[in-house]
Amino acid sequence: AQTVTQSQPEMSVQEAETVTLSCTYDTSESDYYLFWYKQPPSRQMILVIRQEAYKQQNATENRFSVNFQKAAKSFSLKISDSQLGDAAMYFCAYRSASRMNRDDKIIFGKGTRLHILP
Amino acid sequence: NAGVTQTPKFRILKIGQSMTLQCTQDMNHNYMYWYRQDPGMGLKLIYYSVGAGITDKGEVPNGYNVSRSTTEDFPLRLELAAPSQTSVYFCASSYLGLASHEQYFGPGTRLTVT
Repeated sequence: AQTVTQSQPEMSVQEAETVTLSCTYDTSESDYYLFWYKQPPSRQMILVIRQEAYKQQNATENRFSVNFQKAAKSFSLKISDSQLGDAAMYFCAYRSASRMNRDDKIIFGKGTRLHILP
Repeated sequence: NAGVTQTPKFRILKIGQSMTLQCTQDMNHNYMYWYRQDPGMGLKLIYYSVGAGITDKGEVPNGYNVSRSTTEDFPLRLELAAPSQTSVYFCASSYLGLASHEQYFGPGTRLTVT
């Protein structure tokens, strides 16, 4: 079974600085998707960034980028120029891409709470 | 589009009571999901549905029931509520046609059982 591990329960970063959130996963599949979701105090889950495992190029969305290391099964999120609005819980998630797999589920990590210090 | 909507936003139940959490999506998504999120934890899948008339158990289905009579609606039923069901419940949906099956989440329902 697939698992997703986020080893940092909490992190803090100074406003305007850069922070990296770690995520590792375990799977025997070769084709899958990885996600970072943000959950602000409003509780709404918001997709931040997505990575397809077959793509070697790291995904980037404005100030958010990932470092995807497939062999190491690592998927870290880098937030540049941190802003107060980035304060939230961040969840790493895994999803199989197998078209034969009707068992269509996302596996979430336990989350990392990010604090932004003014 | 309103996206995924959930009602109610908050609810307090007494032990043994029953209730239904409503979830509706207007994006014509095939897949719908129910998750629970306990304090300080990630999301755990309760039930999911790959289309109208089809439901499957997730990781933590005990104490819950679901139905999917239409594409839009996926209600979650709690029978005989227990304190262990105190949690925040999220409904989500996704469309099979999207390559990554990206999930869209509702705003959540905070349930307290006392």
